[in-house]
Amino acid sequence: ETGVTQSPTHLIKTRGQQVTLRCSSQSGHNTVSWYQQALGQGPQFIFQYYREEENGRGNFPPRFSGLQFPNYSSELNVNALELDDSALYLCASSHGTGDYTFGSGTRLTVV
Amino acid sequence: AQSVTQLDSQVPVFEEAPVELRCNYSSSVSVYLFWYVQYPNQGLQLLLKYLSGSTLVESINGFEAEFNKSQTSFHLRKPSVHISDTAEYFCAVSDVSGGSNYKLTFGKGTLLTVNP
Repeated sequence: ETGVTQSPTHLIKTRGQQVTLRCSSQSGHNTVSWYQQALGQGPQFIFQYYREEENGRGNFPPRFSGLQFPNYSSELNVNALELDDSALYLCASSHGTGDYTFGSGTRLTVV
Repeated sequence: AQSVTQLDSQVPVFEEAPVELRCNYSSSVSVYLFWYVQYPNQGLQLLLKYLSGSTLVESINGFEAEFNKSQTSFHLRKPSVHISDTAEYFCAVSDVSGGSNYKLTFGKGTLLTVNP
């Protein structure tokens, strides 16, 4: 079975721009979560999607938004990028039991 | 709200020595507990987990952790470490009653450095 794949692996954006990160969940998994990991910190929960609906959100502003598609893949969109948005963004999928498989992440640098 | 405290930000040890990475959590409800490992420039890999049953859980590469409900701890141990165990280790907790929403709350991580 394939694991969780994220794209792109790295990207650089300018402050104020918008970015879209993509995630393909593991086969058979219907739940996708996104996490932000700043340098030297543990991952912080952004939000979770279950069967195309957002069903949980962490302490992140509305300019962080997402989508889940019928094939359970997902996107994370961030508008009006700020320097503090520079981080590793991790996607994780599960089949709804709390047992998550993580992708390798997208390293976002905002300059 | 849940929280996780990893008591040591860095743990340096010599190869073949034993190691313990400490993790305490706070939660008002029953929890699942996890240890993840992160190698440089990579994502998180699940090392081991406690969902229910035996409080002592083991990984395939020699790590073990014990769930202690009275002390709200889930310390990670290995009796003899290898150079290849050098990595960042994260303890995480999720709410058992979360239904379809089992968000993970992570600690800040412990950097394990194994020296020759």
